[in-house]
Amino acid sequence: DIQMTQSPSSLSASVGDRVTITCQASQDISNYLNWYQQKPGKAPKLLIYDASNLETGVPSRFSGSGSGTDFTFTISSLQPEDIATYYCQQFSFGGGTKVEIK
Amino acid sequence: EVQLVESGGGLVKPGGSLRLSCAASGFTFSSYSMNWVRQAPGKGLEWVSSISSSSSYIYYADSVKGRFTISRDNAKNSLYLQMNSLRAEDTAVYYCASGSTGTFRNWGQGTLVTVSS
Repeated sequence: DIQMTQSPSSLSASVGDRVTITCQASQDISNYLNWYQQKPGKAPKLLIYDASNLETGVPSRFSGSGSGTDFTFTISSLQPEDIATYYCQQFSFGGGTKVEIK
Repeated sequence: EVQLVESGGGLVKPGGSLRLSCAASGFTFSSYSMNWVRQAPGKGLEWVSSISSSSSYIYYADSVKGRFTISRDNAKNSLYLQMNSLRAEDTAVYYCASGSTGTFRNWGQGTLVTVSS
């Protein structure tokens, strides 16, 4: 099974900051990597698919990049409504990154 | 509008069985892969199982292989998860999700399964 290692597990940033989360796959997965946002008590929401494609309706401050084994998820300007846990996924999920406001 | 509604969760004793259902509407169910994902209380997401549109391809996480069976009925727009030999560590909210293989585009609100004596 492919293992997904996500870091950091949590972060605190100010409104307007650039936030970056990384995800590493245990083997080459090409660009088959997705990113999800989950708010407390809610189902996850797909934000980015195939490493860099923005899902319809998702704000453009969210972006993704990478291929092979190393991937990055970025929020260009953190907003209060972005407080959530973010997961990378290629079948299996990364451990999640909890994003909080400083 | 895509809607996925899970049902069948509840309290079950260790070693017991439970069958989850997911009723789909608002899209052509028979054209899409379907998936089950779970989340233990306070923990992260765990992919459980996936089934292709025509049931030709089925995949399971190692943690449930041999105990859980995924199936679908395209005539009824429904997805199922038969869970046998349940363990305490299977306690979780179970979500069904639709999308292409490996991409979970739409999600239900989940159903809670509690395995406890």
